[in-house]
Amino acid sequence: GAVVSQHPSWVICKSGTSVKIECRSLDFQATTMFWYRQFPKQSLMLMATSNEGSKATYEQGVEKDKFLINHASLTLSTLTVTSAHPEDSSFYICSAQRPRYEQYFGPGTRLTVT
Amino acid sequence: AQKITQTQPGMFVQEKEAVTLDCTYDTSDQSYGLFWYKQPSSGEMIFLIYQGSYDEQNATEGRYSLNFQKARKSANLVISASQLGDSAMYFCAMDGGGSQGNLIFGKGTKLSVKP
Repeated sequence: GAVVSQHPSWVICKSGTSVKIECRSLDFQATTMFWYRQFPKQSLMLMATSNEGSKATYEQGVEKDKFLINHASLTLSTLTVTSAHPEDSSFYICSAQRPRYEQYFGPGTRLTVT
Repeated sequence: AQKITQTQPGMFVQEKEAVTLDCTYDTSDQSYGLFWYKQPSSGEMIFLIYQGSYDEQNATEGRYSLNFQKARKSANLVISASQLGDSAMYFCAMDGGGSQGNLIFGKGTKLSVKP
């Protein structure tokens, strides 16, 4: 199956700093990638849709100036959490879409803001 | 708007027995896709099975089968011959409509397999 990687898998940062999370499709080109957030014992919630070469589409309630998404190439999308606060602590998961219906998820990034 | 409902927060099953995880959905779209994912404690989302709304036969993938009842808008996952490694969170999802392809997830069911 297709492989999607995320880096880092786990990060702790201080409040007020920024953190960048990378999502890479390793063996296919993905024009569309998705960023989800999952709080403990809850389901995945879509944050934004990342399209290669254009601006991301954010879901209602997600601050685009706080969660910066850049889809620089067909294999890489980045999510930058700017001026992170403890309430941003969460599990962030990306997915990359292949033609038809296949959507492959990365292993996730656990962010803890102290 | 699409909605996925999983009414079982947790389920227990004896090893080697079959178990059914419930999922109902709501959508006004005629064409849609339904998915099941497994999420072990590591957090990774593992794709299990897919059912298209126009697929006439229920999807099967090894020990996983999807009991698709379109009129009832249900897409239950059946796991046969449960194994200890099946203990995990299971999420039902559907594509969000339109052309973007994002997924809308249910709240999940935590399955525990007892030896």
